[in-house]
Amino acid sequence: DTAVSQTPKYLVTQMGNDKSIKCEQNLGHDTMYWYKQDSKKFLKIMFSYNNKELIINETVPNRFSPKSPDKAHLNLHINSLELGDSAVYFCASSQYLGGRNEQFFGPGTRLTVL
Amino acid sequence: AQRVTQPEKLLSVFKGAPVELKCNYSYSGSPELFWYVQYSRQRLQLLLRHISRESIKGFTADLNKGETSFHLKKPFAQEEDSAMYYCALGGNAGGTSYGKLTFGQGTILTVHP
Repeated sequence: DTAVSQTPKYLVTQMGNDKSIKCEQNLGHDTMYWYKQDSKKFLKIMFSYNNKELIINETVPNRFSPKSPDKAHLNLHINSLELGDSAVYFCASSQYLGGRNEQFFGPGTRLTVL
Repeated sequence: AQRVTQPEKLLSVFKGAPVELKCNYSYSGSPELFWYVQYSRQRLQLLLRHISRESIKGFTADLNKGETSFHLKKPFAQEEDSAMYYCALGGNAGGTSYGKLTFGQGTILTVHP
């Protein structure tokens, strides 16, 4: 009964490749997010979708393209991977109703670009 | 612009000692503040949110708007409290800050036996 799940858990790939990370939530939330945690453990938002609509798009290279087929899923596709993309990527979800913004996080996907 | 500062990257205490993890924020609107905890190689979990004014695992945090702070405190630290702690600031509904959480740099707490 995992609330927010991500696949894969680990991803090791070569520079220049294209890869995707999938996220699913079964909490019935209307908003989903992608965060990047770098090697210094700094956590920064990348994207946010509300009811399949892009709401937040921080200054992220356009090699990163999120896709939300429905409000329970938010996938992240990365083109032409670079060494600097190595990080842990966390998906999160929330029900943004009444001003409460409690976010539930997935287990993370550790991406290593060689 | 939203900003969260956690001045201590590392904090070490002994078991049974009091612990305080500092968090200061900068936000022009009405802030919504949270503490998240990340145990070793696990997902982030919500620890506290300021609107509920609750105590979880013995931790408390009070929002001080005058000092723009939301420090996390526990009177008697336990070894199982060792983890990374993030202070986070939530934006208001509407506009570009909708649902956005801005995290501080994180504080690694180590509780020694």
